[in-house]
Amino acid sequence: GNSVTQMEGPVTLSEEAFLTINCTYTATGYPSLFWYVQYPGEGLQLLLKATKADDKGSNKGFEATYRKETTSFHLEKGSVQVSDSAVYFCALLAYNTDKLIFGTGTRLQVFP
Amino acid sequence: GAGVSQSPSNKVTEKGKDVELRCDPISGHTALYWYRQSLGQGLEFLIYFQGNSAPDKSGLPSDRFSAERTGGSVSTLTIQRTQQEDSAVYLCASSLVSGADTGELFFGEGSRLTVL
Repeated sequence: GNSVTQMEGPVTLSEEAFLTINCTYTATGYPSLFWYVQYPGEGLQLLLKATKADDKGSNKGFEATYRKETTSFHLEKGSVQVSDSAVYFCALLAYNTDKLIFGTGTRLQVFP
Repeated sequence: GAGVSQSPSNKVTEKGKDVELRCDPISGHTALYWYRQSLGQGLEFLIYFQGNSAPDKSGLPSDRFSAERTGGSVSTLTIQRTQQEDSAVYLCASSLVSGADTGELFFGEGSRLTVL
């Protein structure tokens, strides 16, 4: 079946550190891939997406590249800020389906 | 309102009682989704509406769970005879058309249900 696996949290970093949150997926066909973010007290919101292999999604300094050969979509940011503290969810939309399948979420805590 | 609105934001109930959770999607959004977020779990898909019909109810955990949508707008998720394992945050999301087109869902802040 279709599934998403992402690294356990919390991830704790100092401001300006480099961030990687790992995400791998299992899917039939060619899914679209997403990262959603949930800031404290807010609803989930789309951060970035990639719809085909080798695509790179980017937004707010975050990037993720759709790697078909490793079935991965790791989230990266070169220099995190305190305001990036949130829970990050990796998700996939399998081909010819209408529902997003989410990972368990990874909490990021950035300290000054 | 500008975003997806859910009510109540917090609900504490006793085991065996029925609860209703309401979702007001963004105006004009035809697709509506319910997810459940339990501690340590990901977002678990429950049900999806396109207009007033539910083409995918595959995620409803048991027949105690039901949902409806009227007028292509407001949706209600009903849990009958609640059990402690129903305790979770219930999230509603909407999208302009089917999520399959863009994958961009707009989420509410959720209804936190605690069953004692």
